[in-house]
Amino acid sequence: SYELTQPPSVSVSPGQTARITCSGDALPKKYAYWYQQKSGQAPVLVIYEDSKRPSGIPERFSGSSSGTMATLTISGAQVEDEGDYYCYSTDNSGNPVFGGGTKLTVL
Amino acid sequence: EVQLLESGGGLVQPGGSLRLSCAASGFTFSIYAMSWVRQAPGKGLEWGSSISGSGGSTYYANSVKGRFTISRDNSKNTLYLQMNSLRAEDTAVYYCAKSIEGNSSVVDYWGQGTLVTVSS
Repeated sequence: SYELTQPPSVSVSPGQTARITCSGDALPKKYAYWYQQKSGQAPVLVIYEDSKRPSGIPERFSGSSSGTMATLTISGAQVEDEGDYYCYSTDNSGNPVFGGGTKLTVL
Repeated sequence: EVQLLESGGGLVQPGGSLRLSCAASGFTFSIYAMSWVRQAPGKGLEWGSSISGSGGSTYYANSVKGRFTISRDNSKNTLYLQMNSLRAEDTAVYYCAKSIEGNSSVVDYWGQGTLVTVSS
């Protein structure tokens, strides 16, 4: 079955840039999406169609995709950005798949 | 404001059944696909099932196919998930989620989830 691979954890100091990657064989042809999930809360969409930000999402969140890898970048990460981040896409048959998630620590 | 409120979760024995509901408001329910996504305790997100806006098309992950049935009542703005033959590995928080546009499988808004525990 199709998989999206993310690093289990990323750690940065406040104000630094955090980058979370997501790799998948179908990403050259499929959009990537990113969700943020804070402890005990429902996920929130932070990036859609590789690089677009929904309204209300801070500008420090950005996304990009090249080849088989999509990247979520948080420029000037803040303590409030801590949480789990999941990439999402579909396989070549259109079946939805989530990545395994990346725990972001900002301290 | 989009609101999704799940209900129906609880403790059920292996092999048992449960029906989840999701009451939607704040958007035109009938023109958006809806999905159920689950999250086992301490684990990641897993897509489970989706249904088109009209209800005419349904999709299932292999892990639930043949045991779960997704449906909707557009007159009541409510999404359902009938879960049969439940297994311990179905234990999870079940989220109801709205598609980002039309019948897309991508979701933008999520409910707060309802916990299903399968245990004897």
